[in-house]
Amino acid sequence: AQSVAQPEDQVNVAEGNPLTVKCTYSVSGNPYLFWYVQYPNRGLQFLLKYITGDNLVKGSYGFEAEFNKSQTSFHLKKPSALVSDSALYFCAVRDEHSGAGSYQLTFGKGTKLSVIP
Amino acid sequence: ETGVTQTPRHLVMGMTNKKSLKCEQHLGHNAMYWYKQSAKKPLELMFVYSLEERVENNSVPSRFSPECPNSSHLFLHLHTLQPEDSALYLCASSQESGEQFFGPGTRLTVL
Repeated sequence: AQSVAQPEDQVNVAEGNPLTVKCTYSVSGNPYLFWYVQYPNRGLQFLLKYITGDNLVKGSYGFEAEFNKSQTSFHLKKPSALVSDSALYFCAVRDEHSGAGSYQLTFGKGTKLSVIP
Repeated sequence: ETGVTQTPRHLVMGMTNKKSLKCEQHLGHNAMYWYKQSAKKPLELMFVYSLEERVENNSVPSRFSPECPNSSHLFLHLHTLQPEDSALYLCASSQESGEQFFGPGTRLTVL
């Protein structure tokens, strides 16, 4: 079984400060990890993914995420937050051993990020 | 977001109505998905189609009926819904089981 946890319902950060949105996961095999962002009344937008390779993954809009296998974490980061980054952020995981053709992503409950001017 | 379109964007229906949600993807993907997003709940996967065949059906009530006539189009037919079915319904597509690209959603209200 695969699961993902986003321990913070809300994160507040001042504009210009670094931000971190936390995500931990549980899978039986190797994880495929994803971050998505959702703005009000919109669908989810893909930000970045980790499949294999470098533990630091760079994505859209200046976001990056660090895969940490020992801590089973995939935290989303940005060096300098913008007010326009305020949105709902979702972490998702798929187990590479979930079976050929398995399409099921498991999403976290989401973290609301508020960047304060 | 323009890669996956959904219509209508908003829908209000009574419990005895029949309506359909439409999704179209312009990305050349071979898998399409329906999700339900309710307030304060995780995103719920409802159905997955791969190459126009249903491959996942996560215990969704029969009042929701999906249809995938080709790899670019996905429908969700609704009938005799309940007020608790009010939610944002999201369509997504992917190439194989890679990252999914989402449409803007249909905000459904059941009276």
